[in-house]
Amino acid sequence: DVKVTQSSRYLVKRTGEKVFLECVQDMDHENMFWYRQDPGLGLRLIYFSYDVKMKEKGDIPEGYSVSREKKERFSLILESASTNQTSMYLCASSLHASDRVSILRNYEQYFGPGTRLTVT
Amino acid sequence: KNQVEQSPQSLIILEGKNCTLQCNYTVSPFSNLRWYKQDTGRGPVSLTIMTFSENTKSNGRYTATLDADTKQSSLHITASQLSDSASYICVVSAPGGGNKLTFGTGTQLKVEL
Repeated sequence: DVKVTQSSRYLVKRTGEKVFLECVQDMDHENMFWYRQDPGLGLRLIYFSYDVKMKEKGDIPEGYSVSREKKERFSLILESASTNQTSMYLCASSLHASDRVSILRNYEQYFGPGTRLTVT
Repeated sequence: KNQVEQSPQSLIILEGKNCTLQCNYTVSPFSNLRWYKQDTGRGPVSLTIMTFSENTKSNGRYTATLDADTKQSSLHITASQLSDSASYICVVSAPGGGNKLTFGTGTQLKVEL
């Protein structure tokens, strides 16, 4: 079974603090993703990574950065937390589709349990 | 702009009854459509994935249908159970390795005794 774990289920931080959210997957997946989920907005992609030390901005990267030093680990960093970053953060991983058949299948993304971050 | 819209927003049904959730999308080009189940406080878990060439896919009591011409999908739940209470999210993928997903906002289903 694919397992994606996140370092904390609940986190409370103060405005201006630096926050680290960690995600680890155990299936040797190339791709890893960070999303935030807010009521009425669905999941929105913050950043993703398709290889170690590689990263690409998603739809809402402002105020966030990421780090991928090892294949199994993908970190989301809030340099200076703000109240509008209060949200549920979800990490996901997937295989990288390099052949045409796999791309058509679009390898499934497996999600972690989420971290509910509250910034006060 | 690529969009995925789901209806109804929320639904309450009695245990043992069937229900159908709807998903309309405007994503183009289109690669595949997924339905995820998300329990409260948990990450989403995949139920079905359908490519543009498939029009139905089952997973136990869950059956998803896809009409790529009208850009509509439905998720039918048969003989509902209390454990089916969750948010059901429709996700549409554009071609390109699975990275470009557009998420619906979900249908919140509650199954009651």
